[in-house]
Amino acid sequence: EDKVVQSPLSLVVHEGDTVTLNCSYEVTNFRSLLWYKQEKKAPTFLFMLTSSGIEKKSGRLSSILDNKELFSILNITATQTGDSAVYLCAVEDRHYGGATNKLIFGTGTLLAVQP
Amino acid sequence: GAGVSQSPRYKVAKRGRDVALRCDSISGHVTLYWYRQTLGQGSEVLTYSQSDAQRDKSGRPSGRFSAERPERSVSTLKIQRTEQGDSAVYLCASSVIRDRVWETQYFGPGTRLLVL
Repeated sequence: EDKVVQSPLSLVVHEGDTVTLNCSYEVTNFRSLLWYKQEKKAPTFLFMLTSSGIEKKSGRLSSILDNKELFSILNITATQTGDSAVYLCAVEDRHYGGATNKLIFGTGTLLAVQP
Repeated sequence: GAGVSQSPRYKVAKRGRDVALRCDSISGHVTLYWYRQTLGQGSEVLTYSQSDAQRDKSGRPSGRFSAERPERSVSTLKIQRTEQGDSAVYLCASSVIRDRVWETQYFGPGTRLLVL
């Protein structure tokens, strides 16, 4: 069965710390891996990764994919209290010859950044 | 500007009844997704539809979930024979897909469903 596993489940850090969130997956027809940030409202999209070894960056956030070892990491440097959220990892499963793709989500990592 | 809207924001339903949740997406967006969020299980995608076609009708967990696109920018998620386990927040998201490359998904505020 396809699955996406995130770790740790929760994390408490102090402002200024650097954190690394992990996402491993077992998906038959991998197409892409996505990271989302979810606060009280709906999730916001962070990154989409399709190529192994290429880092994507956005400000203090960066992410990289290893599609041989089947995992991705999300790094946040110089954390701020506004980074406190649930970080969701999702893998897109592609059905060859068909038109249906699915997003398989992990259960998320709850990050709390203390002042 | 106009974003993704959902209605109703809150819905209470009696177990066994059918419910319909509406999503108005951003004009020009091709793809609509429905997600379900629960505290214990996180988020899962229920249905996915691209353009005017309806994909992935089966949904989870038993085919009681389906989505229709009565208009290009409107989707209705239908849940048949609701169960207490269906109590969750239902999120709608839309995105523009070009050449099979994803862009940002824009989420609505969600509908909180409580099945009694």
